[in-house]
Amino acid sequence: QVQLQESGPGLVKPSETLSLTCTVSGGSMNTYYWSWIRQPPGKGLEWIGYIYYSGSTNYNPSLKSRVTISVDTSKNQFSLRLTSVTAADTAVYYCARGAGWWGDWGQGTLVTVSS
Amino acid sequence: QSALTQPASVSGSLGQSITISCTGTANDVGGFNLVSWYEQHPGKAPKLMIYDVSHRPSGVSYRFSGSKSGNTASLTISGLQADDEADYYCNSYTSTNTYVFGSGTKVTVV
Repeated sequence: QVQLQESGPGLVKPSETLSLTCTVSGGSMNTYYWSWIRQPPGKGLEWIGYIYYSGSTNYNPSLKSRVTISVDTSKNQFSLRLTSVTAADTAVYYCARGAGWWGDWGQGTLVTVSS
Repeated sequence: QSALTQPASVSGSLGQSITISCTGTANDVGGFNLVSWYEQHPGKAPKLMIYDVSHRPSGVSYRFSGSKSGNTASLTISGLQADDEADYYCNSYTSTNTYVFGSGTKVTVV
């Protein structure tokens, strides 16, 4: 059973860059898609985007100008960068395995955008 | 990219069956058999319950079933149990090669 674990700062200042890493254990990253999904407090889920193990990406159009997802299969990690953050980016950020449906999820990490 | 429409809440008694709807358009739910459903308990990560409209992952109870008609997908929970009380979200692939979640439904077991 693959396990995913998000890591990164829990507090980011407005206009700065949010950076998170997801570490995958218990399985190879090869041949899979890897995704980021977020959930503002008390609200619904939002798909951010995914990356294939080989590096191709696909992003939510509403975030595309600010999002970069990258992968390092040698470290069994993939990462999320979100630039120019505002309070609206405050959310629990989940990493997950898959592209169209997600069977394995990390526990999620709360990122708060505040000065 | 607007969220798919789900009822805010659905309730049922122990042992009853309930159905949660997920309404989109021909550009998402109606156009592809790529709808999935997730159960989320408070403070927990979502759990995949149904994928590709009606397929149940290994380990998910047979009490959960999915279907689709036109632009509306549905999740049915039969034999409602106390532990089914949670939030449920649908998700669909779209014609722009992206994915969109539903607005979410809170299921209450009365």
